[in-house]
Amino acid sequence: TQLLEQSPQFLSIQEGENLTVYCNSSSVFSSLQWYRQEPGEGPVLLVTVVTGGEVKKLKRLTFQFGDARKDSSLHITAAQPGDTGLYLCAGEEETSGSRLTFGEGTQLTVNP
Amino acid sequence: DTEVTQTPKHLVMGMTNKKSLKCEQHMGHRAMYWYKQKAKKPPELMFVYSYEKLSINESVPSRFSPECPNSSLLNLHLHALQPEDSALYLCASSPGTSGISSYEQYFGPGTRLTVT
Repeated sequence: TQLLEQSPQFLSIQEGENLTVYCNSSSVFSSLQWYRQEPGEGPVLLVTVVTGGEVKKLKRLTFQFGDARKDSSLHITAAQPGDTGLYLCAGEEETSGSRLTFGEGTQLTVNP
Repeated sequence: DTEVTQTPKHLVMGMTNKKSLKCEQHMGHRAMYWYKQKAKKPPELMFVYSYEKLSINESVPSRFSPECPNSSLLNLHLHALQPEDSALYLCASSPGTSGISSYEQYFGPGTRLTVT
């Protein structure tokens, strides 16, 4: 059973467009992290959200944690080709200790 | 310094070879992880070390043998691998202590392993 459902799986857009990636679960998470991974490289941590309803901004990226801490979203404004990559959400369940549950990932391609 | 380093970057090995992957971090993190990642898939957890002790083994075949010589180093010893073990092997570390960021994981660049 996939505990973290991430959508969409693939997204191809033009430079300048906005997009939102969703991460949903029936489980409650102590924290949720978003990563971006480029081909042949390891995932790079973008943000960690901890508090229900929390919103964090990182330049053109806005991250939100659901009130019930079961879901999260990543919104990118005016996407650029440099935003291309695999976006992964990963949640730390309240009972899992050090284990992260990863979503399946969203492969984003931003065309110039 | 938020860097996790991994060597080698690429490795090609035969099914009868013995090789080792190495990972190092100098952030004072007390938890270290090995993941396996296939193309366009999320990382799959293999092992977790906490305070230099193996705390999680996700039923990984014995042909993969982890070792944590000290709090900064993590090795993965490989022996008699199969072609289906070809993947990107990622190392990660996290503070592993109490606190909000205790489980934020920082990944290395990975070792691209090909088993022939």
